[in-house]
Parts: sequence; C-alpha cells; structure tokens
Amino acid sequence: AQSVTQPDIHITVSEGASLELRCNYSYGATPYLFWYVQSPGQGLQLLLKYFSGDTLVQGIKGFEAEFKRSQSSFNLRKPSVHWSDAAEYFCAVGGMEYGNKLVFGAGTILRVKS
Amino acid sequence: GAVVSQHPSWVICKSGTSVKIECRSLDFQATTMFWYRQFPKQSLMLMATSNEGSKATYEQGVEKDKFLINHASLTLSTLTVTSAHPEDSSFYICSAGVGTSYEQYFGPGTRLTVT
Repeated sequence: AQSVTQPDIHITVSEGASLELRCNYSYGATPYLFWYVQSPGQGLQLLLKYFSGDTLVQGIKGFEAEFKRSQSSFNLRKPSVHWSDAAEYFCAVGGMEYGNKLVFGAGTILRVKS
Repeated sequence: GAVVSQHPSWVICKSGTSVKIECRSLDFQATTMFWYRQFPKQSLMLMATSNEGSKATYEQGVEKDKFLINHASLTLSTLTVTSAHPEDSSFYICSAGVGTSYEQYFGPGTRLTVT
C-alpha cells in the first residue's frame, strides 16, 4: 500500500538554527508532493508543493523542499528557524497512483528553543 | 484565494443526537470535497470523498450510515454525524479540490465533543 513516512515524531531546534524535516514516500513514478503546517486546533496550511520541473521548490515562510527521486524523498528545510515556526508539519503525497487522494505522513512536531 | 470555511468551529452535543458540519469553498468552485478525521497527536485520516451531485465514496472502515455526507453544490458539502457517541469526539477537517490538480485546500477544522 502507498505510504508516507516521516521518521521524526518530534524535533527540537534552537531559534536561528537550521531545520530539516524528512519525508519518504513508498510508491509513485510521478508523485505530487506537498508539505503542510498545522498549528494547534487549526486546519492545514500549504507550505509548498512539487508537481514537476525544478526539484528544489520554494514555499512560504522561508521554507524550501527538495525532491530526490532516487531516494523517494521530499525533505523540508529552513535555514533559520523562528519561534513562530513551532507547529506540526505534515508531508503528503498525491497523484494517480494514490487514487487522486492525498496520503499523509504521521507528522513531525517542531519545538523551537529560545 | 482558495479559502475554505467550516462551521461550526467547535460543537458540544449530547450522546444520541446528530450534528451537522458545513464546509464551504468561499472563492472557488470545488469539484471534489474531502472529509478527514484527526485524533489527538495523530495524522489526518481520510473518511470520504464527495463530488458535487454524486454519492460520497467512503474509505474502508468508515460507517456510511453514521457519517452522512452531502455535496449539494460546488461550494458546499456537509457532514452529519448521526446518533453521536463519545467515541465520535474528534477534530473533523474538510478540504476542497479543483479539477485534477491533486491540490487540496483545507478548512480550519471543527472540534466535536460528544458528552
């Protein structure tokens, strides 16, 4: 079955430090890849997406992600984390191989130390 | 653009009653709407997919008679939790999709508490 793996349940970084959140997907020759952020009690906000083209995509709030087909990965990065980035981050994969639905990873909770 | 609203944002109801949650796409027409359920500290679980004017397609294990979904127009879908029980307490999130872009726009969620 199609699956999305976010291996880190929690990550804690210091404010100003760099961040990388990992995401691997199990299936799909042409996946559509997304990163969403969720603050407590809120819905999901799209940070960035990859459909095709340049494998390094820029998103909102200073985030970027790189698609690596050989590693089936779509890791999210930010060079300098701000305290307001503390939230839960979800990687999602869609596309025809996923039945036109989005399959979500388990999420990574980001804590930011001041 | 691409704003999705949900109403109510939170609701408390008594066991045995029914609750209706509305999901609206405010500035676009949604060909498909999705309903998710999210338990505390867990990811989103897709409950069903609905297309305007068609019956919803439910995921395996989701009770169709308990979670009634209506997608009467291109901007409105409703989820009715019938005969709610405490185990139905959860965070329900809807999303809307346009065409075959695979991108979904999410609502802010509805917190349901059944007492």
